[in-house]
Amino acid sequence: DAKTTQPPSMDCAEGRAANLPCNHSTISGNEYVYWYRQIHSQGPQYIIHGLKNNETNEMASLIITEDRKSSTLILPHATLRDTAVYYCIVRVANGNKLVFGAGTILRVKS
Amino acid sequence: SQTIHQWPATLVQPVGSPLSLECTVEGTSNPNLYWYRQAAGRGLQLLFYSVGIGQISSEVPQNLSASRPQDRQFILSSKKLLLSDSGFYLCAWSVGLAAYEQYFGPGTRLTVT
Repeated sequence: DAKTTQPPSMDCAEGRAANLPCNHSTISGNEYVYWYRQIHSQGPQYIIHGLKNNETNEMASLIITEDRKSSTLILPHATLRDTAVYYCIVRVANGNKLVFGAGTILRVKS
Repeated sequence: SQTIHQWPATLVQPVGSPLSLECTVEGTSNPNLYWYRQAAGRGLQLLFYSVGIGQISSEVPQNLSASRPQDRQFILSSKKLLLSDSGFYLCAWSVGLAAYEQYFGPGTRLTVT
């Protein structure tokens, strides 16, 4: 599975959009981009995933560049409860394993 | 609906003592099961995964072992704990080879003293 690079931490004002970047320059054609988050002392929670096209669900939007070498997770209106570690993971569709890196600590501040 | 249970929630054990952590899943059949560990201030590390009863794949050589005696039961064990075994242990499940989502349990916080 390809490696990912994320900034170690980011701050965001409550009510504003949080844009979390991820670089995955060695991604293969059959690898998906997944995003999970982990609120303190809890298990990780799935957010969204995508292959080529941009994706949106009730939690977030995922923007993948045309060359697929990077992506951005967007939380449109961040709340204090969105403070968490956000993990960007690259994996083949039928792969069993999720390889978690260090992630980005997002701090939402009032 | 599906639920995943882990116990105990917290555990303090002396070095050299045995360990048994249990994970059970309800509401699904033939799940893939996973054990992860998260050391303090670190990311999650996959320890074991299982695609069926008695089928265990180990990701990291260590003094831990895993067993799956029943379809929805996954057990993490050690005969002799080390200080380095301290951490937050998470069990997770998914269904199907193309599963894009893993569902995590509440975790067990283990402190080895």
